[in-house]
Amino acid sequence: QSVVTQPPSTSGTPGQRVSISCSGSSSNIGSNIVNWYQQFPGTAPKLLIYSNNQRPSGVPDRFSGSKSGTSASLAISGLQSEDEADYYCAAWDDNLNGYVFGTGTKVTVL
Amino acid sequence: MQLVESGGGLVQPGGSLRLSCAASSSAFSNYEMNWVRQAPGKGLEWISYINRSGRSPSYADSVMGRFTISRDNAKNALYLQMGSLRAEDTAVYYCTTGNRRQPLVLWGQGTLVTVSS
Repeated sequence: QSVVTQPPSTSGTPGQRVSISCSGSSSNIGSNIVNWYQQFPGTAPKLLIYSNNQRPSGVPDRFSGSKSGTSASLAISGLQSEDEADYYCAAWDDNLNGYVFGTGTKVTVL
Repeated sequence: MQLVESGGGLVQPGGSLRLSCAASSSAFSNYEMNWVRQAPGKGLEWISYINRSGRSPSYADSVMGRFTISRDNAKNALYLQMGSLRAEDTAVYYCTTGNRRQPLVLWGQGTLVTVSS
């Protein structure tokens, strides 16, 4: 089974910039678009970034995404308390013929 | 379009359960669908995909041969037939739209499946 790796956790103070890495392989991130999801406890995930770096309507511009080769990253600039949540990257995997999610990163606002 | 899952509950190991995902509009037939699950305190795991016509299903290795995805576009419904259930299948199960080129955009609220004796 394909594995996409994220750091388990990261933290920052309000106003700081934090970044989350997402490392995959040629069959997923290397071949397909990357999407990012934000999830609060007890709720369904919400699409945060799609097509590597696009924000759906309503997502603040302090969230940004990028991709290079088999890795991607999510940046949150001007961190706010309401950004404290779990974040997952995801990409279609051509070997799996399905999605593979990153291991997830918990963002804590100190 | 909104999605609402149902059918979760407590089931014994080795048992079966059928989950349903009801869509609120006939636009359902235009979407390719997936099931994603999340074990308690764990991350998201994609488990199955089906195209708009109900063909070409795919499965994660963890459920291959035990779970079957299907859909009924006339009823605006997606299903997941789960068999030979194990403790490790305990999770919240979400239905969600998306395919290789489209992100998983619309999500239901999830339904909890607990496999325990």
